[in-house]
Amino acid sequence: GESVGLHLPTLSVQEGDNSIINCAYSNSASDYFIWYKQESGKGPQFIIDIRSNMDKRQGQRVTVLLNKTVKHLSLQIAATQPGDSAVYFCAENMSGYSTLTFGKGTMLLVSP
Amino acid sequence: NAGVTQTPKFQVLKTGQSMTLQCAQDMNHNSMYWYRQDPGMGLRLIYYSASEGTTDKGEVPNGYNVSRLNKREFSLRLESAAPSQTSVYFCASTRSYEQYFGPGTRLTVT
Repeated sequence: GESVGLHLPTLSVQEGDNSIINCAYSNSASDYFIWYKQESGKGPQFIIDIRSNMDKRQGQRVTVLLNKTVKHLSLQIAATQPGDSAVYFCAENMSGYSTLTFGKGTMLLVSP
Repeated sequence: NAGVTQTPKFQVLKTGQSMTLQCAQDMNHNSMYWYRQDPGMGLRLIYYSASEGTTDKGEVPNGYNVSRLNKREFSLRLESAAPSQTSVYFCASTRSYEQYFGPGTRLTVT
């Protein structure tokens, strides 16, 4: 069957490079954001989250930046490894709602 | 701790057949969700259950029904499968906002 990654924007990097994946979110009232990683044939996996009262949050090798003025979210992956190859989704939540709205995703391809 | 489990992993149906996709979580989460994922698209919400005893429609509910059997289990039923329902189906659960996903069910309707 077709891969979920077909027809998605693709970012190709070399192993060891830093990667930046971008996401434009839709609702200015959203106050919580998550990045997910989805490897081929698997379910999405949580990477990092950020609340709207922050503009930056760091994890292990990952940093999320939030620009509420232009409704933009980015995921930075330091020293990208072949195991980082996957589809990355952003998701947003509005306070008081129990659902997430997902972006369409970006495929990251890391060459050794 | 298995997290979120889904059965079956793969299924092929003929148009008009019915089936139920099963989902269970062992994290004591209140909310559970069913999504479908099609090539080039993000995850689209079919139905969700914010708590035991409640269910609500998501973005694409037509052709589906759900049952929140108890706090652990949330099933998705296709009464009369159509080729447009060929997709990968994911179940998820959460206590607050971060959702935990199952491994998915790949469904093909011929």
